[in-house]
Amino acid sequence: AQSVSQHNHHVILSEAASLELGCNYSYGGTVNLFWYVQYPGQHLQLLLKYFSGDPLVKGIKGFEAEFIKSKFSFNLRKPSVQWSDTAEYFCAVMPAGNNRKLIWGLGTSLAVNP
Amino acid sequence: GAGVSQSPRYKVAKRGQDVALRCDPISGHVSLFWYQQALGQGPEFLTYFQNEAQLDKSGLPSDRFFAERPEGSVSTLKIQRTQQEDSAVYLCASSPGPTNTEAFFGQGTRLTVV
Repeated sequence: AQSVSQHNHHVILSEAASLELGCNYSYGGTVNLFWYVQYPGQHLQLLLKYFSGDPLVKGIKGFEAEFIKSKFSFNLRKPSVQWSDTAEYFCAVMPAGNNRKLIWGLGTSLAVNP
Repeated sequence: GAGVSQSPRYKVAKRGQDVALRCDPISGHVSLFWYQQALGQGPEFLTYFQNEAQLDKSGLPSDRFFAERPEGSVSTLKIQRTQQEDSAVYLCASSPGPTNTEAFFGQGTRLTVV
């Protein structure tokens, strides 16, 4: 079955620390890849997405992610986190084709201490 | 409104009661999705509409769950004879076209079955 694995369930960082959140998926075909963020009390928002082309994609608020096809990974990175990055982060995969549903990881809760 | 609107935001139902959850997608959006998010989990796909057509309902967990979008805009997710395991946040998302893969999410309806 298709699945998405996020390795870190809870991450605590100090401001200015670097962030990397792991995401691996199991699906052998073409995929579209997403990172969504959910700030406290708010709805899910798209951080960045990969459909094709340059495997290093840049999103909002200084986030970026790298698609490594051989490793079935799409890790999220930010060089220097801020307190306002405290949120829940979700990796999601959409296998290409007529099926439009997203398959989600369990999420990573990030707390940034000021 | 500017975003996806869901109502009610919170719903407490007695076990066995029927509930109806409403989603107002972004105006003009063709695609509409329902997801279920249990506590501590990532969202799980329930169903997908393209205009009024329900193209995928493979994620509906039982025949107690029913979704409709009769005029291709507002959608209702109905759960009959609610059970405690139905307690979750129900998320609605919409996207502009049938091939546009970026989904915009509402804030969700938190359903608690007691």
